[in-house]
Amino acid sequence: EAGVVQSPRYKIIEKKQPVAFWCNPISGHNTLYWYLQNLGQGPELLIRYENEEAVDDSQLPKDRFSAERLKGVDSTLKIQPAELGDSAVYLCASSLVTSGVNTGELFFGEGSRLTVL
Amino acid sequence: AQTVTQSQPEMSVQEAETVTLSCTYDTSESDYYLFWYKQPPSRQMILVIRQEAYKQQNATENRFSVNFQKAAKSFSLKISDSQLGDAAMYFCAYRSARGAQKLVFGQGTRLTINP
Repeated sequence: EAGVVQSPRYKIIEKKQPVAFWCNPISGHNTLYWYLQNLGQGPELLIRYENEEAVDDSQLPKDRFSAERLKGVDSTLKIQPAELGDSAVYLCASSLVTSGVNTGELFFGEGSRLTVL
Repeated sequence: AQTVTQSQPEMSVQEAETVTLSCTYDTSESDYYLFWYKQPPSRQMILVIRQEAYKQQNATENRFSVNFQKAAKSFSLKISDSQLGDAAMYFCAYRSARGAQKLVFGQGTRLTINP
């Protein structure tokens, strides 16, 4: 069974440029998460989807970040324009939530490392 | 809000020895889950072990075991017979059993295995 797939693995851009990251969760997983991981720190949640609905986006900087999960499967995280401080790893994870209770583990992708010059 | 604290930024251990990684957390909830994740240089987070707060028995997975002290809000990870492949960042994480379905991570502990 394929795991969580993310692309690209690495991206280098100049500041003020746009960038997008793509995530394909594990088949059948209805909940998808985007996490931000700064160097040497633990991941922090940016946004969580249940199916196609963003149920927790309180930590997403909405002035420059946007995300979508069309049809409740794949998801895209976009930054426009990128700033130097956005350099980090962007992790995608998925899980299966049933009956409103999430007892399953989160499965993570390998992450997308962004470098903003 | 829940917080997770890992007070050891780095730890090292000799191969085949035992090492314990510390984690404390703060919550007002009684029903939750605790996890230890491993993140090797490849960056993919891998679940090592999980503990349900309602269970008094400490979870064990082969060479990995936890010491869960609910009253003290402590959740340490013990790795026995350390192997070179255990070298990685280890993150402690908390998740509520209800409501917000997100993992809250600690800052991580970098574990080095000395041959």
